[in-house]
Amino acid sequence: NAGVTQTPKFQVLKTGQSMTLQCAQDMNHEYMSWYRQDPGMGLRLIHYSVGAGITDQGEVPNGYNVSRSTTEDFPLRLLSAAPSQTSVYFCASRLDGTTRYNEQFFGPGTRLTVL
Amino acid sequence: AQSVTQPDIHITVSEGASLELRCNYSYGATPYLFWYVQSPGQGLQLLLKYFSGDTLVQGIKGFEAEFKRSQSSFNLRKPSVHWSDAAEYFCAVGGGPGGYNKLIFGAGTRLAVHP
Repeated sequence: NAGVTQTPKFQVLKTGQSMTLQCAQDMNHEYMSWYRQDPGMGLRLIHYSVGAGITDQGEVPNGYNVSRSTTEDFPLRLLSAAPSQTSVYFCASRLDGTTRYNEQFFGPGTRLTVL
Repeated sequence: AQSVTQPDIHITVSEGASLELRCNYSYGATPYLFWYVQSPGQGLQLLLKYFSGDTLVQGIKGFEAEFKRSQSSFNLRKPSVHWSDAAEYFCAVGGGPGGYNKLIFGAGTRLAVHP
């Protein structure tokens, strides 16, 4: 069981470039989510998905797109990168997104710098 | 709106000393409360959680936390700190409509341990 994996670990972009952060889990979890972590602000929810084909916005969705075509994968797309999107991005998953909370597992993170 | 406050940004303790990390939350109903730990360069790991019942909850690595509704607090404690406990600690709250899927994190407390 690899758990939650994220690629790449590090990325540097120029303003206006686009890219996709990859996230995959092999635990057959229904729920997946993306957070960004900024100094002094903890983690903030960007988007989440309660199952394949279903996504919803979190606290800070602007500038990001997601899709969920399979249970395993939940990519995060930056359409036109901005310096304000410099952050550490974490993907997380848990078994069930529609009922009582169960433990959320986090990936190792992607450190993104936008110049 | 839900919110989480961790009043201490940095805490330094000596190895073997006791530890208490503070967490205060704002939430209209009974919240789900969590403590996570993040080691340098790593993702977040769940230490413990509170849903209902006994207000003193035990977690991994010898940590415990006490839910005090009257004080809107969920402080994390450990009787004797080890050097390996040096990390960043996050308190989080969830619950309510959609709350199962939306965790609100505090800004974190960075713990340093002196030998």
